[in-house]
Amino acid sequence: DADVTQTPRNRITKTGKRIMLECSQTKGHDRMYWYRQDPGLGLRLIYYSFDVKDINKGEISDGYSVSRQAQAKFSLSLESAIPNQTALYFCATSDGARGQTWQYFGPGTRLTVT
Amino acid sequence: GENVEQHPSTLSVQEGDSAVIKCTYSDSASNYFPWYKQELGKGPQLIIDIRSNVGEKKDQRIAVTLNKTAKHFSLHITETQPEDSAVYFCAASPGNQFYFGTGTSLTVIP
Repeated sequence: DADVTQTPRNRITKTGKRIMLECSQTKGHDRMYWYRQDPGLGLRLIYYSFDVKDINKGEISDGYSVSRQAQAKFSLSLESAIPNQTALYFCATSDGARGQTWQYFGPGTRLTVT
Repeated sequence: GENVEQHPSTLSVQEGDSAVIKCTYSDSASNYFPWYKQELGKGPQLIIDIRSNVGEKKDQRIAVTLNKTAKHFSLHITETQPEDSAVYFCAASPGNQFYFGTGTSLTVIP
């Protein structure tokens, strides 16, 4: 089974709709992240969380919100989707007990806003 | 914040040749530099990383070099194989966040 799972894997929605992307992990990591990937722009950090009660904004948090429901679950919401939020979204985790270390990425969610 | 630039954006090499991807960073506080490989339809996966107290690290056909003074680091892949074809991302971290380069699409021609 995959260590980091994302649901849904693909989603098409209309402008103005609220949408939630979910991430679950079985790695036991305390740190979780949400990124978006756009062609030619690489990966940009939206939000990150170092434990259940810790939420931090990343580079591009406007128009997004998150919820850390449990250590293993981190959800990303688009309150009112707009077309320029069409992108590939990745959830990632890392082990804070090991200090500054690499991230494990999920398989991604492809979101299209029409 | 940190700014990471990555070059080239695309790279084609013959099987067996070497490939080099270069990144520069702006924040002297960055002290951790991972490299990721992303295959089509998948999330990025770590292939090698280096910390600022080390100048070079090697793992089989892959090596990374770091020049803190010049603020640049490079990925070297030797004896390339078709399965090395993918998009490669560098990243720099000054602490809690990671800043990624824009990616290099590597094609290894059999």
